[in-house]
Amino acid sequence: KAGVTQTPRYLIKTRGQQVTLSCSPISGHRSVSWYQQTPGQGLQFLFEYFSETQRNKGNFPGRFSGRQFSNSRSEMNVSTLELGDSALYLCASSLVLAGGRSAGANVLTFGAGSRLTVL
Amino acid sequence: LAKTTQPISMDSYEGQEVNITCSHNNIATNDYITWYQQFPSQGPRFIIQGYKTKVTNEVASLFIPADRKSSTLSLPRVSLSDTAVYYCLVGDMDGGDLLTGGGNKLTFGTGTQLKVEL
Repeated sequence: KAGVTQTPRYLIKTRGQQVTLSCSPISGHRSVSWYQQTPGQGLQFLFEYFSETQRNKGNFPGRFSGRQFSNSRSEMNVSTLELGDSALYLCASSLVLAGGRSAGANVLTFGAGSRLTVL
Repeated sequence: LAKTTQPISMDSYEGQEVNITCSHNNIATNDYITWYQQFPSQGPRFIIQGYKTKVTNEVASLFIPADRKSSTLSLPRVSLSDTAVYYCLVGDMDGGDLLTGGGNKLTFGTGTQLKVEL
């Protein structure tokens, strides 16, 4: 079956611009979570969506937002880009609420990521 | 507040068994322990998950002592292609499901960089 698809794979933006990243989860997966990965901060959780509702949120400013559609596809948006937003943005999908405590929670399938460079 | 502690790096040689230990002193009763592998510029890949005692699959084993305050990922007979960063993931009591109050923020920690040489 198809894996998690993220688009675009690479993009370059300038400070002050905004960017929208897309994530298509594995068919049947209802949870999509987003992560920012940088060399200095490692893999940091942004937020999780399940059945079109934000269910969990990391410690990021309001410039980072997301949404999930009825087909479980998700988008994240970063407004007023800063140099420090340069990172690999990863999304992951799972069958159950990824942040839950049932068996299968935390079993995530990641996409290849979107590499954002802010100049 | 960091919930997992792993060695920053480990070195090994092809054919050896590698054991990576993760400390998670504040693990909650219902939390599972999950391990991931990540290669450069790729998303992490699920390796194994367990709750207690021992779990084994085709690529690794996971050992969890009775107190569950730590876990050890065991990679048998590593090869050069096992060079990667390995993360353990457990429930994080900070934050949670905005609707139900449960769940976690999926804190991955710093991971362990495993380098396998000839």
